[in-house]
Amino acid sequence: QLQLQESGPGLMKPSETLSLTCSVSGDSISSSSYYWGWIRQPPGKGLEWIGSIYYSGSAYYNPSLKSRVTISVDTSKNQFSLKLSSVTAADTAVYYCARHMITSGYLRWFDPWGQGTLVTVSS
Amino acid sequence: DIVMTQSPDSLAVSLGERATINCKSSQSVLYNSNNKNYLAWYQQKPGQPPKLLIYWASTRESGVPDRFSGSGSGTDFTLTISSLQAEDVAVYYCQQYYSTLITFGQGTRLEIK
Repeated sequence: QLQLQESGPGLMKPSETLSLTCSVSGDSISSSSYYWGWIRQPPGKGLEWIGSIYYSGSAYYNPSLKSRVTISVDTSKNQFSLKLSSVTAADTAVYYCARHMITSGYLRWFDPWGQGTLVTVSS
Repeated sequence: DIVMTQSPDSLAVSLGERATINCKSSQSVLYNSNNKNYLAWYQQKPGQPPKLLIYWASTRESGVPDRFSGSGSGTDFTLTISSLQAEDVAVYYCQQYYSTLITFGQGTRLEIK
């Protein structure tokens, strides 16, 4: 059974770079059938897609965050990672990783999701 | 961006009654060449991550109870719970994947009346 687990610091200061890792178990991240994505949810608010990456390193990003986001993949560790630079209080959110289904090479739905990790940005 | 707008923002329904949640996209998410609507629905219970319920607007994910159904085409979609159970209390989200820029609706909170 596929499981995803986010890890990283829970508290950050403004202007720092957020770094999160998603560890995948129960399936190979090198599967050709999926991308691997990051989604965030500010407290009490809705969902925002951040970006998704293929095992080859090919990635798609949300243009609203693209200038600050880097998503990378480590197939040897079966992990993928998120870096978000110059964080502010507006980046406070639960960050989820998820398997991103593709068909015909295009991004589709997310399933399953990790449990999420709360990142708080505060001075 | 394709903007997804859900209605209502919150909904209270009696146990055993029908619950209907709407999702409207700012442009069509129907791909004419394959006649598929590029829309998914998720359920998020308190303290949990979202769970996929439906994709291609009406295809139920394996293991999802058949009281959940999706319908609609083009820009207007509906998630229906035919007979509300207590465990269905959650926030429901729609998501379009017609565009490479994936977007979600703002969510609809479903409660028991």
